[in-house]
Amino acid sequence: DQQVKQNSPSLSVQEGRISILNCDYTNSMFDYFLWYKKYPAEGPTFLISISSIKDKNEDGRFTVFLNKSAKHLSLHIVPSQPGDSAVYFCAASGYNNDMRFGAGTRLTVKP
Amino acid sequence: DADVTQTPRNRITKTGKRIMLECSQTKGHDRMYWYRQDPGLGLRLIYYSFDVKDINKGEISDGYSVSRQAQAKFSLSLESAIPNQTALYFCATSAWASGQSTDTQYFGPGTRLTVL
Repeated sequence: DQQVKQNSPSLSVQEGRISILNCDYTNSMFDYFLWYKKYPAEGPTFLISISSIKDKNEDGRFTVFLNKSAKHLSLHIVPSQPGDSAVYFCAASGYNNDMRFGAGTRLTVKP
Repeated sequence: DADVTQTPRNRITKTGKRIMLECSQTKGHDRMYWYRQDPGLGLRLIYYSFDVKDINKGEISDGYSVSRQAQAKFSLSLESAIPNQTALYFCATSAWASGQSTDTQYFGPGTRLTVL
């Protein structure tokens, strides 16, 4: 039972354009959401997070939006750069720190 | 030097063998985790430990055991490996953060395990 879903296995965008990665969750007890980025042969690295008391968090080129009523969050990357090409994992957690991950979306940014 | 290290990085073994994967961290974090990654399923939590005397089962603990030898060391064992335990295994660490229900986790580079 996957409580966190990333329905797009892959996404390809042109350098300089916006990348939008989507994530849906089913457990209404989740109150903290994170995005991790993973390059080949490396472990995931933390990118950005958002608490359920907010609907937007921005860090440089990266913005995460949270829509609690729809149980949906998205990661926007503007402008996209070739170095952003990686697999992006959405994750969600509740009070017990038990984090659930989505299956990941492979982003390719073309020069 | 990496803050979270995993050994070995790659391992091929046979069904029925006992395997231990090791994780060490120099971040001074009290919390450590073991995950496995399978294609199409993302990362799933196997076990986690909030301090040396605390061990908790995660989402998929059957067939695995862990040992927290010290604050900096957390090992994962497969007592009798089976082919469907073939996966990429990640160790992670975190520190409790005041005001947050979830800590930011820092991951090791992963161990690729193949069970024949």
